[in-house]
Amino acid sequence: SAVISQKPSRDICQRGTSLTIQCQVDSQVTMMFWYRQQPGQSLTLIATANQGSEATYESGFVIDKFPISRPNLTFSTLTVSNMSPEDSSIYLCSVAGTAFKETQYFGPGTRLLVL
Amino acid sequence: GQQVMQIPQYQHVQEGEDFTTYCNSSTTLSNIQWYKQRPGGHPVFLIQLVKSGEVKKQKRLTFQFGEAKKNSSLHITATQTTDVGTYFCAGQAGTALIFGKGTTLSVSS
Repeated sequence: SAVISQKPSRDICQRGTSLTIQCQVDSQVTMMFWYRQQPGQSLTLIATANQGSEATYESGFVIDKFPISRPNLTFSTLTVSNMSPEDSSIYLCSVAGTAFKETQYFGPGTRLLVL
Repeated sequence: GQQVMQIPQYQHVQEGEDFTTYCNSSTTLSNIQWYKQRPGGHPVFLIQLVKSGEVKKQKRLTFQFGEAKKNSSLHITATQTTDVGTYFCAGQAGTALIFGKGTTLSVSS
């Protein structure tokens, strides 16, 4: 399976600020995704990060709030913009494709608390 | 939109008892995947089922995919304290995985 790292692992932020989360994979992957998991809840897909083009966002998520970059096949960033306490959550990147076919492997997550 | 329902939400068992969680999709799936998330951890892939009626086993865990490819189950025989965590099913239709809400299993010894 892939080795996936995320930075930062956790952060405490003030409302109105923005945080950029990085996801790095140790091998090239076709698909990269960003999920949000609110405390005690399931995983909700935010968007699919497309290499070299705009991300594909799920209903309820917009680019202005969650801009995503994916400059190559091993790296992606998610920015949580103009944060509010409702953005407090765990943000997870996952990867799939190439050697992993459709199975998704998750990074360790970024635990965000917005005050 | 597509939904994946999972029951029960919580289950507490005595060590040695069996446990089952059920997953139902509103649409036909190309495959279904199961993940386990330990408290404070991230989801870890357990298995993927692709074929109609497929049954797969991993030691004490048995996974089934329904004939219509719309439902699935995970059964754990003789639970152990190491089985504690939240088990998520995730249905795939297209490129996106739709996760169920998960079943949180607690085990007392």
